[in-house]
Amino acid sequence: DIVMTQGALPNPVPSGESASITCQSSKSLLHSNGKTYLNWYLQRPGQSPQLLIYWMSTRASGVSDRFSGSGSGTDFTLKISSVEAEDVGVYYCQQFLEYPLTFGSGTKLEIK
Amino acid sequence: EVQLVESGGGLVQPGRSLKLSCAASGFTFSNYYMAWVRQAPKKGLEWVATISTSGSRTYYPDSVKGRFTISRDNAKSSLYLQMNSLKSEDTATYYCARERFNYDYWGQGVMVTVSS
Repeated sequence: DIVMTQGALPNPVPSGESASITCQSSKSLLHSNGKTYLNWYLQRPGQSPQLLIYWMSTRASGVSDRFSGSGSGTDFTLKISSVEAEDVGVYYCQQFLEYPLTFGSGTKLEIK
Repeated sequence: EVQLVESGGGLVQPGRSLKLSCAASGFTFSNYYMAWVRQAPKKGLEWVATISTSGSRTYYPDSVKGRFTISRDNAKSSLYLQMNSLKSEDTATYYCARERFNYDYWGQGVMVTVSS
C-alpha cells in the first residue's frame, strides 16, 4: 500500500500570513500519462471534506486562488497564501494512483 | 446541484449487520464511479469501497474485504454499503462520495456505532 505522510503546521498561523503543508508518498504518484495523482482536501470543523486540489496542482471548481499545489513524484506541498479564518480545519492529502486509495493523517490549521 | 444523501446509520451490536444507502441527484449517476469513505471519531479519513459505473467492478481495502459489499442501482441513482460482521473498529461516520480520480462531491455523512 502507498503510505502518505503529512507534516505539521506551527500553529497558530497569524491571519494574513502564508502556510505550507507538506505530504510525502512512499511511491511516485506520477502516472505514465504525465499526471500526478495527488489530491488535497479540507475538512472544516463539523463539515464533510471538500476537494481543493487534484492532479497535484489543479484547483477544484470554486476554490480560491489562495490555494496552490506543487511537488514532484513523491513530495508535495499545499500552499495557502494569506490565511483567513475560513481556512481553519484539517487538510488531507490523498493518492489516487492505485487501490487501495490512501490518505495522509491530516494537518490541522489554526489561525491567530 | 449535485446532492448525495446518506441514510441507514445507527447503533448496532458487534457481529451484526447494517446497510447504508446513498441517494444521488443532480448528475448522471450511471456515468460515475462511486465510493464510501469513513472517519472514526476524532480520526482521519479512510477509503472503504469503490464501485464502477456498471457495478461490475468493486474495490476494498483489506480492513473490510469479505465483510462489506458495495452495490448500486443506477435506475434509482442509489449507492449502497452492506456491512456484515461489524466490529467496534467500524464505528465511524460513513460518507458517500462521487469518484473520478478524486472525490469532488461528498454527502453529509451518516454515523455508525458498533457497540454492545
